[in-house]
Amino acid sequence: DVKVTQSSRYLVKRTGEKVFLECVQDMDHENMFWYRQDPGLGLRLIYFSYDVKMKEKGDIPEGYSVSREKKERFSLILESASTNQTSMYLCASTPEEGWHYGYTFGSGTRLTVV
Amino acid sequence: AQTVTQSQPEMSVQEAETVTLSCTYDTSENNYYLFWYKQPPSRQMILVIRQEAYKQQNATENRFSVNFQKAAKSFSLKISDSQLGDTAMYFCAFLNAGGTSYGKLTFGQGTILTVHP
Repeated sequence: DVKVTQSSRYLVKRTGEKVFLECVQDMDHENMFWYRQDPGLGLRLIYFSYDVKMKEKGDIPEGYSVSREKKERFSLILESASTNQTSMYLCASTPEEGWHYGYTFGSGTRLTVV
Repeated sequence: AQTVTQSQPEMSVQEAETVTLSCTYDTSENNYYLFWYKQPPSRQMILVIRQEAYKQQNATENRFSVNFQKAAKSFSLKISDSQLGDTAMYFCAFLNAGGTSYGKLTFGQGTILTVHP
């Protein structure tokens, strides 16, 4: 089975800190995605990547950046964490061939910014 | 841009009964895919069922089935013989097969389903 692993299940950070959320997938998927999940808003796309060194803005990229130096790893970076970035963050991946069968998700990182 | 709307924030059902979760979407595209995902308290998103827009036949997966009405842009999920393990948040999602939003899943707001014993 494809596995998408997010390094932290819970994270507490202070306002202004630089925060790294890590995601690793083990099935050689080309496409990777970062979403945030908030009550009443569902999942919203932050950034995505179709290949190494490639990144595209999603619907809510402000305050975030990403890095994809290796195919299996996609990092979400909060340059200066703010309280309104307190949320659940979900990483997902999908292969280039078969992307239309849906995503495989990690189990999420619940980030609290205090 | 596509939008997905789930108008039922919460639903509840008795064990062994049937429940239907609603989803509507808006798109100008003709070729797309629709999904229902389940997120239990463990937070792991699980694919429940998938529908291809160009197929008239409604998808079914064991106790889960959909009512896909393309003209009405409606995609409801029916859960038969509900089980306690069905308790979860359910998300409806749209995946465009082309255009500028190709390959990106757009989600609805989610419906919390509680199955009571």
